[in-house]
Amino acid sequence: DGGITQSPKYLFRKEGQNVTLSCEQNLNHDAMYWYRQDPGQGLRLIYYSQIVNDFQKGDIAEGYSVSREKKESFPLTVTSAQKNPTAFYLCASSAGGASGELFFGEGSRLTVL
Amino acid sequence: SQQGEEDPQALSIQEGENATMNCSYKTSINNLQWYRQNSGRGLVHLILIRSNEREKHSGRLRVTLDTSKKSSSLLITASRAADTASYFCATDYKAAGNKLTFGGGTRVLVKP
Repeated sequence: DGGITQSPKYLFRKEGQNVTLSCEQNLNHDAMYWYRQDPGQGLRLIYYSQIVNDFQKGDIAEGYSVSREKKESFPLTVTSAQKNPTAFYLCASSAGGASGELFFGEGSRLTVL
Repeated sequence: SQQGEEDPQALSIQEGENATMNCSYKTSINNLQWYRQNSGRGLVHLILIRSNEREKHSGRLRVTLDTSKKSSSLLITASRAADTASYFCATDYKAAGNKLTFGGGTRVLVKP
């Protein structure tokens, strides 16, 4: 089935460790996005990519890094520089960027111990 | 960042009643979208309304857009327990580039 797959669903990390969240899509979409969601809150944009080998910072990029080496993949690394990384992370893709519908994965919940 | 604000933050209704939630935004938009999120899950797209449209329907959903007031509303008619979820508006601001900005959401509880 076509869609977006995020892994892992749950992740625990010790302070000072980097972790990488996977996001893969088979929808042939050019645009991909990473959002962060804190409990009871809306989504905040971390990074987005409109085409392979190109990406832009969103509103809260500090402490995060991404790559877009393949159209299907947009992994997010949460670095040790991120002061408060415990959150729910959502990946999305779109055929038409913000002018069209975003398709979301099921999310990855990161907890820092 | 420029975020839409949603009102109310939470809503509790009985099954069969209508649910209305509002979204206000700050500057000119290309389009506005509504999404639904069940607890602990990803978001699902409900409806997109463009800046030159005033009203759209999809099943039991009705969305309006008033660009003069910079606001939108989502109406769910004849609600069901399965409509229990959080609902978010997302705006494609003209000045923001190719990205969506999400509001804080309205948490809807439909009691059977």
